[in-house]
Amino acid sequence: EVHLVESGGAVVQPGGSLRLSCAASGFSFDEYTLHWLRQAPGKGLEWVSLITRDGEYTSYGDSVRGRFTISRDSRKNSLYLQMNSLRSEDTAFYFCANEQSKFFESWGQGTLVTVSS
Amino acid sequence: IVMTQSPATLSVSPGERATLSCRASESVSGNLGWYQQRPGQAPRLLIYGTSTRATGIPARFSGSGSGTEFTLTISSLQSDDFAVYYCHQYKTWPPGTFGQGTKVEVK
Repeated sequence: EVHLVESGGAVVQPGGSLRLSCAASGFSFDEYTLHWLRQAPGKGLEWVSLITRDGEYTSYGDSVRGRFTISRDSRKNSLYLQMNSLRSEDTAFYFCANEQSKFFESWGQGTLVTVSS
Repeated sequence: IVMTQSPATLSVSPGERATLSCRASESVSGNLGWYQQRPGQAPRLLIYGTSTRATGIPARFSGSGSGTEFTLTISSLQSDDFAVYYCHQYKTWPPGTFGQGTKVEVK
């Protein structure tokens, strides 16, 4: 069974940085493109970033490009999201998900990032 | 591509049928999925390819449509089904586009 567990969410001041992690198990980590998505409290879903299975290609949403960096470590079966220059509008639950043929097959339970002074 | 879901809120009694709509601003062919999000939980894949149920999804969930008009039908609502449902087109990938969601609540 696919299991994705996010961690690293916290309260951070505007302009600050945070690194999220997603621990994966139950599937062949190296065979999947992985994504980060987010959801502001009470709002809809927003895609954030993806990284291909070999880590060679990454892509970002317009709202985070240049501030966030996605990475993965196959030795640790883990996905990461380095978030810099955080803004109040980055406040959200952040989910990791694995991709299966262009849809999000399994999701983690999410971790909450709050950007506030 | 803009995805528009209707209605925003659907009030249904347990055991009744629920019909949720999703409209695309241009054709997405069959590249359409549905996700369920129960309160306080992560989204869960229900349907992909317009009508294929994901692993473990009960048969009371069915998807249909093509081009720009899509429907998710829940044939007989159970207590676990009261949730928010999102459609997602993945014709333009990455990352596709989500609809704004339809909340299915108890009538």
